Order: sequence, then C-alpha cells, then structure tokens
Amino acid sequence: NAGVMQNPRHLVRRRGQEARLRCSPMKGHSHVYWYRQLPEEGLKFMVYLQKENIIDESGMPKERFSAEFPKEGPSILRIQQVVRGDSAAYFCASSPWGQDPGLGNTIYFGEGSWLTVV
Amino acid sequence: EDQVTQSPEALRLQEGESSSLNCSYTVSGLRGLFWYRQDPGKGPEFLFTLYSAGEEKEKERLKATLTKKESFLHITAPKPEDSATYLCAVQAGGNDYKLSFGAGTTVTVRA
Repeated sequence: NAGVMQNPRHLVRRRGQEARLRCSPMKGHSHVYWYRQLPEEGLKFMVYLQKENIIDESGMPKERFSAEFPKEGPSILRIQQVVRGDSAAYFCASSPWGQDPGLGNTIYFGEGSWLTVV
Repeated sequence: EDQVTQSPEALRLQEGESSSLNCSYTVSGLRGLFWYRQDPGKGPEFLFTLYSAGEEKEKERLKATLTKKESFLHITAPKPEDSATYLCAVQAGGNDYKLSFGAGTTVTVRA
C-alpha cells in the first residue's frame, strides 16, 4: 500500500532554470495539496487540487509558480525562472474523496522534494 | 484567517520524564484538528485527528486532547525515539480542506 510518492527527492537548479516536482497521491485519493517548508519555518499551504481542477491556490505566489493535476498521471508543481528564495522543501499531500463532509478529511504527506537553487 | 500557535518551541526531556505540548487555535468552524510528527529530512507523519471538544485519542505513549480553544499532546514516559518535531494543524469548515499549521514543537528526549 504505497503512500504519497514524490520525485525527485532532491533537485538542484541554477537561478533562472525551471523546476518540476511530481507527486503521485495514495491509491484511491483524488485530492492533492502542495505545501512549502522554508528553512526554520513552518509548513505553508500553496495549492489544493482535484483531478483537472484547482480548488484553492490562495497560497501560490502569483508569478512563476503553477500546479496541475491532470486526469491521468501525477500532479506537477512547476517553478519557472527559479531564484535563491525558492530553495525549500516542497511537500505533497493527498486525501480521499467521499468521507463524511461533516468530519475532517485526513491528509497524508509524502517525503518531500528538496529544491536547492544555486 | 486561521491561526495556530504551538508552545513551547523546543522541549528537552529526560527519558521517562512526561510532559505536554500545547496548540492554541483560532478558526471559523473547526472541522478537525490534526497532529503530525516530523523527523529531520522527512515528511509529516499523521498521528491523530480530533473533531470535537472533549475528544481524546491515544497511540502508544502519546495522548491528544481537544478543547474549544486548544489541544494538548501529552507524552508519557518518553523514549529517545520520540524525539521529533510535533506539528499541529487545523482544518476549517466549508468546502476547502486545506490544513493550517503551527510552527511546531521540537522535542528532544535524552537517554
């Protein structure tokens, strides 16, 4: 029973390059979330997606960042023209659809993708 | 905006020395309060979900409780392997299921 799978685990990019982070949710999960954890800071919400649909992107920087969750394949977080301040751990999480809407929807995290911009 | 404050920031314990971590929250219509454990270089590992005031959940040496304004994570007779950062997060009501996290409490248990 595989958990949330993220790749690459570690990625080094030069300033100005593009970074693509991939996330495969747990089997049966149709909700995907991306979080960012900067050094010495807490987890910050970026975006919440369902298949082919962005539900909430209120935590995404307005420029250079985009996310998708296509009908087939993993969710992708794309960072264009990376800068040093983008260096962080990016965590993907997933949750199932169909739980009682009156209850919390448990969210499971992957092991993260560590982006270093040099 | 949802707010989650965890205290203390860091906690150093002797093996067997029980203690509690605090999570204070402000949220409109709490759907659930979550506790996670995070080890260095790893993703958060789910521990508990609490849904309503008065609820308690236990797992091994950990026990989580919930009131209308805060949650506690009690660590009973901790062992060195309990050393980690413990994260608290809230999920508000409505159609958005995202979690808002506190900054975490880093627990170090010495043998």
